[in-house]
Amino acid sequence: DVVMTQSPLSLPVTLGQPASISCTSSQSLVYSDGNTYLTWFHQRPGQSPRRLIYKVSNRDSGVPDRFSGSGSGTDFTLKISRVEAEDVGVYYCMQGTHWPQFTFGQGTKLEIK
Amino acid sequence: QVQVVESGGGVVQPGRSLRLSCAASGFTFSSLAMHWVRQAPGKGLEWVAVISYDGSHKYYADSVKGRFTISRDNSKNTVDLQMNSLRSEDTAVYYCARDYLASLDYWGQGILVTVSS
Repeated sequence: DVVMTQSPLSLPVTLGQPASISCTSSQSLVYSDGNTYLTWFHQRPGQSPRRLIYKVSNRDSGVPDRFSGSGSGTDFTLKISRVEAEDVGVYYCMQGTHWPQFTFGQGTKLEIK
Repeated sequence: QVQVVESGGGVVQPGRSLRLSCAASGFTFSSLAMHWVRQAPGKGLEWVAVISYDGSHKYYADSVKGRFTISRDNSKNTVDLQMNSLRSEDTAVYYCARDYLASLDYWGQGILVTVSS
């Protein structure tokens, strides 16, 4: 089974400052079609997860451009260029390469310092 | 617009059964796989099960294999999760989500299942 490991698990950030979350997979996430199916989600308290980024670096419609995804193979990063108050919550990475069993990271809780 | 709405949750005793349903709209339901994902109180996301677009393939997490069954009705745009032999550790919010290109792009609001005597 593919294991997804996120760090840090807790991320206190000052408003306006950048933030970065790492996600590492136990196996390569490059699929046979050449794509890498790594997704990032944001979940606010009491809400459903919202997809932010798919296939490593593609932002969903309506996602602010302060969010960016990067990485390859087994190592991936979500960056927020300038944290805003609405960014609080938990961020999850998820692999879809090894379909049908999707795997999530443990989650990173972002809070404002 | 795409909508996914879960129903059927509630409180159930250990060892009993419960059936969740997910109604989808706003897209060609019969073309896409659908998943169930759960989240125990205060915990992270756990993938539970997936059913292929035509219902011919079904896969489960080891934690629910043999106890849960996923099914779909493409004529009604619904996907169900039959949960048998429920345990306290199955207590969670259960989400139904659409699979588009190996990613979960639309999620329901979630439905709470509490297994308790």
